[in-house]
Amino acid sequence: IAGITQAPTSQILAAGRRMTLRCTQDMRHNAMYWYRQDLGLGLRLIHYSNTAGTTGKGEVPDGYSVSRANTDDFPLTLASAVPSQTSVYFCASSPYEGSNQPQHFGDGTRLSIL
Amino acid sequence: GQNIDQPTEMTATEGAIVQINCTYQTSGFNGLFWYQQHAGEAPTFLSYNVLDGLEEKGRFSSFLSRSKGYSYLLLKELQMKDSASYLCAVMDSNYQLIWGAGTKLIIKP
Repeated sequence: IAGITQAPTSQILAAGRRMTLRCTQDMRHNAMYWYRQDLGLGLRLIHYSNTAGTTGKGEVPDGYSVSRANTDDFPLTLASAVPSQTSVYFCASSPYEGSNQPQHFGDGTRLSIL
Repeated sequence: GQNIDQPTEMTATEGAIVQINCTYQTSGFNGLFWYQQHAGEAPTFLSYNVLDGLEEKGRFSSFLSRSKGYSYLLLKELQMKDSASYLCAVMDSNYQLIWGAGTKLIIKP
């Protein structure tokens, strides 16, 4: 079944550790996104990529980095995790930037930083 | 700043009709999306409006007034499975989605 796969599903991490959240899509979408979702707040964009080889900063990029080596994969790295990064992280994709086609979401990664 | 406002929570009865409102103030407008999100799950797409008026899709309809910065999602013949959060999102002038915090809809028998 075509879609977006995120890994891990959940993780508990000690503060200061490095962590990479994985995201893979098989829909050949050009645009990919990383969001975090916190209680009482809307989804907030961390980083995005409009096409392989390019990335951009969203609303809350500090403490996170991304890469887009190919069309399918868009990993998100926390270089040195802090408790404020405890959140649910969603990866999404759409056919292209600014598309009126909806973004498709992965099932999310629930990350707790202690 | 950019802002999307939705009620935090609403309660409705099975079989009834409910309207979830969304008002927005964004830098530019390139369309408005509604998503459904069940607890612990990913958001899933419901509807898209870019022109004023009503878009109907089965039991769900979405309305847009660009001059008023206003949209609503109308759910008819409510079912227990409609208990979920409903997210309003506006695509701004940079073609990025600005998301509301979501409206938690509770359906009672």
